[in-house]
Amino acid sequence: RKEVEQDPGPFNVPEGATVAFNCTYSNSASQSFFWYRQDCRKEPKLLMSVYSSGNEDGRFTAQLNRASQYISLLIRDSKLSDSATYLCVVNIRNDYKLSFGAGTTVTVRA
Amino acid sequence: DTGVSQNPRHKITKRGQNVTFRCDPISEHNRLYWYRQTLGQGPEFLTYFQNEAQLEKSRLLSDRFSAERPKGSFSTLEIQRTEQGDSAMYLCASSLNSGSTDTQYFGPGTRLTVL
Repeated sequence: RKEVEQDPGPFNVPEGATVAFNCTYSNSASQSFFWYRQDCRKEPKLLMSVYSSGNEDGRFTAQLNRASQYISLLIRDSKLSDSATYLCVVNIRNDYKLSFGAGTTVTVRA
Repeated sequence: DTGVSQNPRHKITKRGQNVTFRCDPISEHNRLYWYRQTLGQGPEFLTYFQNEAQLEKSRLLSDRFSAERPKGSFSTLEIQRTEQGDSAMYLCASSLNSGSTDTQYFGPGTRLTVL
């Protein structure tokens, strides 16, 4: 089993729509979770950390479900500029090493 | 620009040649990481430095790969006798050990193509 698994998508949504996707992780003891955004042929950039109680950053909402070992990301009022690959990232062993999912591709169309 | 920088950005080489990549982390960051990313996959951890000490190497890093961070600042990743399977994006990241989970900041990567 992979340490972090994501639905690869692609999710094709119109501008203004809401899109949500999940990822699952293998170690129930993991403590740190992140969403990174990666544009085509660019480096990953931190979008947001994911906290136990869930957190929002503008149009982005992240949730953590420890019982089911999954993390979700919801994007409201999608913009064309939200088109990217979203990487689910987990510090699986609570050390310095990050484990990445393969990414979920989101395309927002006009 | 005070972010992580990597050079070269692109490298095309013939199979069997040696290549070396450089990473300059954010200046105050004491942790440095190398990852490899192939098409359609997320980055995979290769190795990690705390200051100048290399503390972990992934099993992905065969004997042909070596990484150094001689003065705890920039780092180099060398691949000897390159193979076509080495073609990938090599990403460097750095972070500041702040006592909790560090945020890792990535450089733009070096895209290696082995012919």
